[in-house]
Amino acid sequence: DIQMTQSPSSLSASVGDRVTITCRASQGISNYLAWFQQKPGKAPKSLIYAASSLQSGVPSKFSGSGSGTDFTLTISSLQPEDFATYYCQQYNSYPWTFGQGTKVEIK
Amino acid sequence: EVQLVQSGAEVKKPGESLKISCKGSGYSFTSYWIGWVRQMPGKGLEWMGIIYPGDSDTRYSPSFQGQVTISADKSISTAYLQWSSLKASDTAMYYCARSPDSKEYCSGGSCSIDYWGQGTLVTVSS
Repeated sequence: DIQMTQSPSSLSASVGDRVTITCRASQGISNYLAWFQQKPGKAPKSLIYAASSLQSGVPSKFSGSGSGTDFTLTISSLQPEDFATYYCQQYNSYPWTFGQGTKVEIK
Repeated sequence: EVQLVQSGAEVKKPGESLKISCKGSGYSFTSYWIGWVRQMPGKGLEWMGIIYPGDSDTRYSPSFQGQVTISADKSISTAYLQWSSLKASDTAMYYCARSPDSKEYCSGGSCSIDYWGQGTLVTVSS
């Protein structure tokens, strides 16, 4: 199985901050990488697919980059509604695997 | 509007069977894969498997193969996740999710997720 490792596991940031989360795959996955946002008690929400393409309706403050084994999710200006846990997921091959999550908290 | 609506919360005893559902609407149900994802209490997301309702082609994660059965009834646009004998360790939230990509892409795994169901909480306790 392909292992996905996110860093950091958690971070504290202030409203207006630029935040970057990293995801590393244990082997090359081309650009078959997605990012999800999950708020407490809610279902995950799809943010990004193909490493850098925004899902419909997702604001442009979210951006993704990377290819191969190293990927990033950036939130350009953190807003109160962005405090959540973020997961990366590889879909290069089965079984799909997720990163362990990055919890973004208010400083 | 695409919607995936899951069945309600369940409380079961160890050894009991269970089948939870995920009903799709707002799109052609038979043309898009539906996957299942487990989230144990306080933990991350785990992919369980995926089915193509058009012909019931199914893929399982090795971690869940033989532990659960994924099926679909295209006549009522509904996918299912079932257990024949629940364990306490099956206590979790279960989500269904749709892939917008073609059957061919998902056959090898290279397909993304766009929409998620609201989740079904399964509690297994004696």
